[in-house]
Amino acid sequence: AQKITQTQPGMFVQEKEAVTLDCTYDTSDPSYGLFWYKQPSSGEMIFLIYQGSYDQQNATEGRYSLNFQKARKSANLVISASQLGDSAMYFCAMREDNYGGATNKLIFGTGTLLAVQP
Amino acid sequence: DTAVSQTPKYLVTQMGNDKSIKCEQNLGHDTMYWYKQDSKKFLKIMFSYNNKELIINETVPNRFSPKSPDKAHLNLHINSLELGDSAVYFCASSQGKGLVANEKLFFGSGTQLSVL
Repeated sequence: AQKITQTQPGMFVQEKEAVTLDCTYDTSDPSYGLFWYKQPSSGEMIFLIYQGSYDQQNATEGRYSLNFQKARKSANLVISASQLGDSAMYFCAMREDNYGGATNKLIFGTGTLLAVQP
Repeated sequence: DTAVSQTPKYLVTQMGNDKSIKCEQNLGHDTMYWYKQDSKKFLKIMFSYNNKELIINETVPNRFSPKSPDKAHLNLHINSLELGDSAVYFCASSQGKGLVANEKLFFGSGTQLSVL
């Protein structure tokens, strides 16, 4: 069964510093995708970055990068040069491939609340 | 233009009432979803529709009934509201049917439901 674990309920980081948000996952499927979403205090869910299990390189999107360690089943989000606007809840999520099969759900972790301090 | 829009943003009601939340997407996506986010911020899928057909139906009380008049709309009707239904409900859409791993979800801004 799928499982996403985010062990950090909350984190602080100083403005302009880098921060890593942890995510580990559990799946027996060799083909899957990993996502990170941001939820600011206004409540909307914003897609940040995606990593496929067969991707050779770690995904990057601007100041966001994904430290993908397949053998460890971890997909940590790295935010470089933190800004005050990065203060938000961050969710890791996973979906397994299931070609020709039933629809698979996007399963979320419990989230990490990041506070960026000036 | 908002890609996935849901109304109302806030819904305060009393136990026992019936209420609906509406969702519309203008992305041309084939699949729409309802997720529930509880007080601990945990997001859990409730339903998914592909081209008006129900494809995911999690273990949700049958007081919750989704309705999809067309592939751009997915409404959620809740009968006999209970205190435990208080949560944020998110509508989302995706391009395909959720069969491939890289299919990302586009979310609405959420509906904060408070049952008193």
